Amino acid sequence: EIVMTQSPATLSVSPGERATLSCRASQSVSSNLAWYQQKPGQAPRLLIYGASTRATGIPARFSGSGSGTEFTLTISSLQSEDFAVYYCQQYNNWPPLWTFGQGTKVEIK
Amino acid sequence: EVQLVESGGGLVQPGGSLRLSCAASGFTFSSYEMNWVRQAPGKGLEWVSYISSSGSTIYYADSVKGRFTISRDNAKNSLYLQMNSLRAEDTAVYYCARDPTAWGQGTLVTVSS
Repeated sequence: EIVMTQSPATLSVSPGERATLSCRASQSVSSNLAWYQQKPGQAPRLLIYGASTRATGIPARFSGSGSGTEFTLTISSLQSEDFAVYYCQQYNNWPPLWTFGQGTKVEIK
Repeated sequence: EVQLVESGGGLVQPGGSLRLSCAASGFTFSSYEMNWVRQAPGKGLEWVSYISSSGSTIYYADSVKGRFTISRDNAKNSLYLQMNSLRAEDTAVYYCARDPTAWGQGTLVTVSS
């Protein structure tokens, strides 16, 4: 099983500041990496797939980078609506056993 | 527009059974692999099961192996999850997902006496 480790667990950021979230895979997942945002009571919302491709309708302030085992989600200038929990997910081709990171909570500083 | 709509959740006693359904529309269901993912209250996301487009290849998380059965009916554009011998720790919102770009809104399963 591929283990996904996110850091930090909690990130305290002021509105307008930059946020950098990390995700590490226990073995290479190539670029088969997605990032989700989740707010209380809502389903996860896809932000990034293929490690760096923004999903439809996602603002340009969200960007993803990395490949292999090290990945980063950057929010260039935090807006009030961005305070949420963020998950990374690997969906490596075979075997098709998805795994998720434990999440990073982005909170208001 | 791709749509995935789960149903069948509810309250069930420990040891009981429940069958979840996921109705798919807006894409050629029979061409796609499908998954179930769950999220316990206040916890992270956990992949539960995978089924290939034809239904011939299936995988389960260790936590549900031997108790849950995934299946699909391509003629009805539907995905299913039969859950038996339910435990309190199976309490969660269950999502069906085609791939990262297509998830349902989830259905809540509560296992409690």
